[in-house]
Amino acid sequence: AQKITQTQPGMFVQEKEAVTLDCTYDTSDQSYGLFWYKQPSSGEMIFLIYQGSYDEQNATEGRYSLNFQKARKSANLVISASQLGDSAMYFCAMREGPNRDDKIIFGKGTRLHILP
Amino acid sequence: GAVVSQHPSWVICKSGTSVKIECRSLDFQATTMFWYRQFPKQSLMLMATSNEGSKATYEQGVEKDKFLINHASLTLSTLTVTSAHPEDSSFYICSARPRDYNYEQYFGPGTRLTVT
Repeated sequence: AQKITQTQPGMFVQEKEAVTLDCTYDTSDQSYGLFWYKQPSSGEMIFLIYQGSYDEQNATEGRYSLNFQKARKSANLVISASQLGDSAMYFCAMREGPNRDDKIIFGKGTRLHILP
Repeated sequence: GAVVSQHPSWVICKSGTSVKIECRSLDFQATTMFWYRQFPKQSLMLMATSNEGSKATYEQGVEKDKFLINHASLTLSTLTVTSAHPEDSSFYICSARPRDYNYEQYFGPGTRLTVT
């Protein structure tokens, strides 16, 4: 079974609109972390935002916010006021457990296209 | 911010030869490094986790004799693709966790391998 599910393979959004990228996860661990990464066509992985399982407040980083619904096991990424430069692949990822070598696994990604 | 480099950024090799890819943490000590591969338009798949001074832990289905990983120092991990075949052509990305790990994990820019 998939641990990280991203149900939107692709999205088209008008510039300056807000966009929500969906992510649901599956884990039985109490301690885990959730990440969002952006991957432009150059291939580099750009860290956007992190949410720990024990964090009570939703994480925010500039235009990015993570809508963390623990009971629903969802961690949607919200990008406010989208820009052309936001066009990229977006991956939701999860680290199960708190330890140094706990691995991060990735969802299949959502390709976001921002339209001028 | 923390920087992880990979060398080479791209490589073309002939079938049957071996290729070594280096992953370096430039301004921090990385006790744990991860190697991923990514096929076009797909997600990152974890290949192995390497801890400095110990043997790498490979994910199920990854041939350890084909993908040799060495994490000889706190700033360097290498991935050697032995007897490469065209199906090994892929984008290989490493990531590194600092010694004083909180949740940060820093990704290298990736290495594109093409086997002809």
